[in-house]
Amino acid sequence: ETGVTQTPRHLVMGMTNKKSLKCEQHLGHNAMYWYKQSAKKPLELMFVYNFKEQTENNSVPSRFSPECPNSSHLFLHLHTLQPEDSALYLCASSQASLRALGEQFFGPGTRLTVL
Amino acid sequence: GIQVEQSPPDLILQEGANSTLRCNFSDSVNNLQWFHQNPWGQLINLFYIPSGTKQNGRLSATTVATERYSLLYISSSQTTDSGVYFCAVETGANNLFFGTGTRLTVIP
Repeated sequence: ETGVTQTPRHLVMGMTNKKSLKCEQHLGHNAMYWYKQSAKKPLELMFVYNFKEQTENNSVPSRFSPECPNSSHLFLHLHTLQPEDSALYLCASSQASLRALGEQFFGPGTRLTVL
Repeated sequence: GIQVEQSPPDLILQEGANSTLRCNFSDSVNNLQWFHQNPWGQLINLFYIPSGTKQNGRLSATTVATERYSLLYISSSQTTDSGVYFCAVETGANNLFFGTGTRLTVIP
């Protein structure tokens, strides 16, 4: 595997389900991110993990819960989602410094549909 | 937060034509990136360009940070250039903001 991989690529879930999205980066980077891309809206940065520490959440609802067990793996745990949470969820990684997030490299995304 | 505006929102070109896409931002930024999102949703890195000019084949980009804009030039466009082009700016608060994109359609 190369670059940034995400699984699953497509997910359909009910509002009462619990599911997790997985991301893995093979670039040797030290920071990982979750983004949300909804129709008609700009990509939104949801979570930043820099050196395994979460540094940003941008007021994301608590029904989204990130987990970063090491610098290569990132999860997004989903529970009791709403239909408006249907979107493309993108994972990215970068080589961050203390002053900059660095050039972002994206995975292919998970297309999530909440019924 | 910072405002990032891209123009035009939509662009249709004949194959072989040249185009210029623009990204304006409302405040000082540390870094700027250009991406191409293909029809399958994959974001492909084009340029990481906080200032100055870079070229990569038929594409080039110029960022004038003091005037708060960046330009992406596509020359001799091909049908494979179709998709949505995004700019993203990184602010001093370690946050990253995307523009709304320019949807490019290249027709044969």
